[in-house]
Amino acid sequence: DAGVTQSPTHLIKTRGQQVTLRCSPKSGHDTVSWYQQALGQGPQFIFQYYEEEERQRGNFPDRFSGHQFPNYSSELNVNALLLGDSALYLCASSLPAGSSTEAFFGQGTRLTVV
Amino acid sequence: RKEVEQDPGPFNVPEGATVAFNCTYSNSASQSFFWYRQDCRKEPKLLMSVYSSGNEDGRFTAQLNRASQYISLLIRDSKLSDSATYLCVVNSGDSWGKFQFGAGTQVVVTP
Repeated sequence: DAGVTQSPTHLIKTRGQQVTLRCSPKSGHDTVSWYQQALGQGPQFIFQYYEEEERQRGNFPDRFSGHQFPNYSSELNVNALLLGDSALYLCASSLPAGSSTEAFFGQGTRLTVV
Repeated sequence: RKEVEQDPGPFNVPEGATVAFNCTYSNSASQSFFWYRQDCRKEPKLLMSVYSSGNEDGRFTAQLNRASQYISLLIRDSKLSDSATYLCVVNSGDSWGKFQFGAGTQVVVTP
């Protein structure tokens, strides 16, 4: 059973560029959440997708957008990259709310903006 | 005020000793609670869920105090391999189960 997979694992981008990160959820999970983890901090919630719709959003600017596909995989897009966007981006999959199950994380994409 | 707060540590613990630390949460409607472990530059992995009655998994014991809105984690007989950052995670309890993370408590077990 494949767990959560993310690609790419590492990425270096230049300020002002755009980036797309990808996530495939754990088998049987249909809810995907994205988190940003800066060095020395806990993961910060970006947004959550369920049934191909953004269901919740954290305190992130519109430069951060996403998408969920019919097979439940998801993309995170960041436009007009800033140096401060450098972080580990984590994707977590889970069952829908109400099941009280834990989230499973992918290994993350480490984004460096230079 | 942050929704989930943790003492960042580090907690320096001699091998074989016991260490305990707490996490407080602000949303009284929170429904699910977890401890995750994160090793340096790796993804968080579930250590254990936290149940209302408290629960134990080997050397690890988790407690929930809803009245005071905190959860705790106790590690007995610490091993060198327990060195990690422990993240407190709270399911927000709203319709869509947003997981809120604390910043983590660093534990360093020394020989």
